[in-house]
Amino acid sequence: AQKITQTQPGMFVQEKEAVTLDCTYDTSDQSYGLFWYKQPSSGEMIFLIYQGSYDEQNATEGRYSLNFQKARKSANLVISASQLGDSAMYFCAMREGTSYDKVIFGPGTSLSVIP
Amino acid sequence: ETGVTQSPTHLIKTRGQQVTLRCSSQSGHNTVSWYQQALGQGPQFIFQYYREEENGRGNFPPRFSGLQFPNYSSELNVNALELDDSALYLCASSLGGRPYEQYFGPGTRLTVT
Repeated sequence: AQKITQTQPGMFVQEKEAVTLDCTYDTSDQSYGLFWYKQPSSGEMIFLIYQGSYDEQNATEGRYSLNFQKARKSANLVISASQLGDSAMYFCAMREGTSYDKVIFGPGTSLSVIP
Repeated sequence: ETGVTQSPTHLIKTRGQQVTLRCSSQSGHNTVSWYQQALGQGPQFIFQYYREEENGRGNFPPRFSGLQFPNYSSELNVNALELDDSALYLCASSLGGRPYEQYFGPGTRLTVT
């Protein structure tokens, strides 16, 4: 069964507008962590934001915020004021409460920012 | 602070051959994880090394093996290469127990012909 679901294969957003990238996850663990990574065409995976399952506040990092809805098992990424450099693949990922730091990635969403 | 580096950048091998990919972890990090990313997909966890011991493994066959050295750098070895092994191989380093600070290298793109 898919652990991480990203239902939007591709998204377009106008420059300077906000965009939400969807992510739902499946776990029976109480302790887990959720990540978002950005992967430009160069291939390098860039860490954007992290949310722990016990964190009560939604995580924010600059223009990135994570809309964490635990009961719905949802961890959407919101990018405010989109820039042309935001065009990339975006991956939602999860670490489950196991003894090692295995991270499970979703299939990704391709974001294109239009001038 | 030195970031994660990987070598080589690109590699072309023939089916049946063996390959070794290398990763130098970020300074101060003792954990290295390896991922395989096929074209158009998310990365898949291969295995992780913590203080020179394999600390977890994904759904990959034994012909995928690894090593971690005392300086925490790491190697990924793949024997009997198959066409489906063509992918971007990503290495990520972290400090054990702090996976939210996992940093990825630029990857090695392996093509098997």
